Amino acid sequence: EAQVTQNPRYLITVTGKKLTVTCSQNMNHEYMSWYRQDPGLGLRQIYYSMNVEVTDKGDVPEGYKVSRKEKRNFPLILESPSPNQTSLYFCASSSLVRGAGGEAFFGQGTRLTVV
Amino acid sequence: AQSVAQPEDQVNVAEGNPLTVKCTYSVSGNPYLFWYVQYPNRGLQFLLKYITGDNLVKGSYGFEAEFNKSQTSFHLKKPSALVSDSALYFCAVRVSGSARQLTFGSGTQLTVLP
Repeated sequence: EAQVTQNPRYLITVTGKKLTVTCSQNMNHEYMSWYRQDPGLGLRQIYYSMNVEVTDKGDVPEGYKVSRKEKRNFPLILESPSPNQTSLYFCASSSLVRGAGGEAFFGQGTRLTVV
Repeated sequence: AQSVAQPEDQVNVAEGNPLTVKCTYSVSGNPYLFWYVQYPNRGLQFLLKYITGDNLVKGSYGFEAEFNKSQTSFHLKKPSALVSDSALYFCAVRVSGSARQLTFGSGTQLTVLP
C-alpha cells in the first residue's frame, strides 16, 4: 500500500530537548516536505527536498532542520524546541515526474507539544 | 508569490442540499489546483485536481470542482451533501512546470446538518 509514515503520532517534550520526527514514503517520490498546521493558518511549509541531499527552506524554517540521506526518508529535527513549535506536523511526498500531476500524499500527522 | 484564499472559515449545509466550498488563487503562470479533505485526527486526503483540460473536474466521494480562469477560482461542489462529508477542506495551488511547494489556503470547516 502506498503510504507516508510518520512517527511518533503524539509527542510531549520539554523546552530545549532535541527531538526528531521521522518520515518515510514507499512510492519512490522525489519530492518530500514538512508542514505545520495551526488553527486559522492552514498548512505552512517548513522545509522541502527535491531529491537526495537536496533540501531547501519553506515559509517557516526557523528552529527546524532536515536531512535527506535516502530517497525514502526525510526526518524533521528540532534541536532546541520551544513552546511556539507546539503544532500539528505533516510530512508529504509527491512525484516530480512530468505529467504525474504532483498531488501530495500526506502522513497521518504528529501532534507535538512543547512545555 | 502564489497564494490561496478560502474566504469562509465555516460552511453549514443541510444533508441532501448542494454544497459549495469557495477557493480563489493567485499565481504567476498556469496553476495546478488541488482539494484535500481532513477528518479529525487524520492526515490530509487528496480529493481532486485540475491540471489542464475540462474545467469541471470530478473527484472522490462525489465531489467536483470548477476551474474558472477569469475569476481565478476553483470552488468545490457536491450536488447532495452527506453528514459524513463534515470535515476540514483545504484548497492548494502550485505553478505548472515548477517544483515549487504547494501553497494551501487556511481551510474551511464544512458541517453537514442532519
